[in-house]
Amino acid sequence: DSGVTQTPKHLITATGQRVTLRCSPRSGDLSVYWYQQSLDQGLQFLIQYYNGEERAKGNILERFSAQQFPDLHSELNLSSLELGDSALYFCASSVGVGGNTIYFGEGSWLTVV
Amino acid sequence: GIQVEQSPPDLILQEGANSTLRCNFSDSVNNLQWFHQNPWGQLINLFYIPSGTKQNGRLSATTVATERYSLLYISSSQTTDSGVYFCAVDPNNNDMRFGAGTRLTVKP
Repeated sequence: DSGVTQTPKHLITATGQRVTLRCSPRSGDLSVYWYQQSLDQGLQFLIQYYNGEERAKGNILERFSAQQFPDLHSELNLSSLELGDSALYFCASSVGVGGNTIYFGEGSWLTVV
Repeated sequence: GIQVEQSPPDLILQEGANSTLRCNFSDSVNNLQWFHQNPWGQLINLFYIPSGTKQNGRLSATTVATERYSLLYISSSQTTDSGVYFCAVDPNNNDMRFGAGTRLTVKP
């Protein structure tokens, strides 16, 4: 158990819908990262937050958004879902912003039908 | 951006065999980690190793930062070692960039 908690573990939804994925980082970790893993794109970095502020942005679509709340949990919002958004979405956390071990949650499996 | 190349892409072993997985990266990094993704999709952290050598049981890793590569050694492999092994690097204290992985299959 990495200490990073993600919910839901599995989600099936229809095209055009909106979903929210939730992440609770390890106790004491201030950084939260979101990654997407699909069969054709591998593991792609989406976005990073540090202590409530957005710190880095990767290959995140405009239909996707995220935030980190004062209690340090984070949510990833995916809207206007398309079939190609089906993937495993990981949250990860670390103590700081670099030079630290990053721990991954178990992921949220999203299937868009 | 930084390029991360892992080799071999696929590896099939008999139980008990040893193996070496390689990760090459194109720029200097502040962080390098090895992960194992098991058949259930879980990403398990194996080593945080931006430089030097570490060992944990049957696994060990070495990173030569000046030459921009890292090696993961698996000795006396077991069927439970099967899965995908990822190398990930962080060049700028922002995020981890992953290689494409090495898919390991250990046969009994």
